[in-house]
Amino acid sequence: SQTIHQWPATLVQPVGSPLSLECTVEGTSNPNLYWYRQAAGRGLQLLFYSVGIGQISSEVPQNLSASRPQDRQFILSSKKLLLSDSGFYLCAWSVQGISNQPQHFGDGTRLSIL
Amino acid sequence: DAKTTQPTSMDCAEGRAANLPCNHSTISGNEYVYWYRQIHSQGPQYIIHGLKNNETNEMASLIITEDRKSSTLILPHATLRDTAVYYCIVGLMDSNYQLIWGAGTKLIIKP
Repeated sequence: SQTIHQWPATLVQPVGSPLSLECTVEGTSNPNLYWYRQAAGRGLQLLFYSVGIGQISSEVPQNLSASRPQDRQFILSSKKLLLSDSGFYLCAWSVQGISNQPQHFGDGTRLSIL
Repeated sequence: DAKTTQPTSMDCAEGRAANLPCNHSTISGNEYVYWYRQIHSQGPQYIIHGLKNNETNEMASLIITEDRKSSTLILPHATLRDTAVYYCIVGLMDSNYQLIWGAGTKLIIKP
């Protein structure tokens, strides 16, 4: 069966520091991969999606970037964190090429910027 | 992108059926209805999805009206562990389809 792993679960970083969050998927090949952010009490906002290695699309202009160095690895990064980058970050995957198949989420990283 | 309207919160007694409504009057013909739930501090968990017909799986049933403008998620025998925020989303789970996630319904199961 397929599994998705995100780490770390929680992270506290100072303003201006760099960020790297990692997500890996097991048990499937060539998935669509997604990064979302969720503000407290709100729904999810799509940040990035990827249909293949090195292929990244951004949905929202921001201080963050994403990379997909391997088929089942998705990384969210920042060179200099802002206070507004605080939030709950979620990685998700879905089967590529079948548009009605649901996305499946990891357990998220709670990021606090001080 | 279609939007959905859900009640902010609902209560249900343990052991009873929980019926969660969702309005999606602007849904397009090829868009599906998806339901997820999120327990505090965890990622959303997929529950069920459908296009036109009613659907049932081991977790829940999904009833979609004939005009597809609304749907109801049914948890047949709610337990305390079903306390969560439930999200109704319409669209396509494809790579470049921007889904709109609302604030969902906070379902509280009471003993």
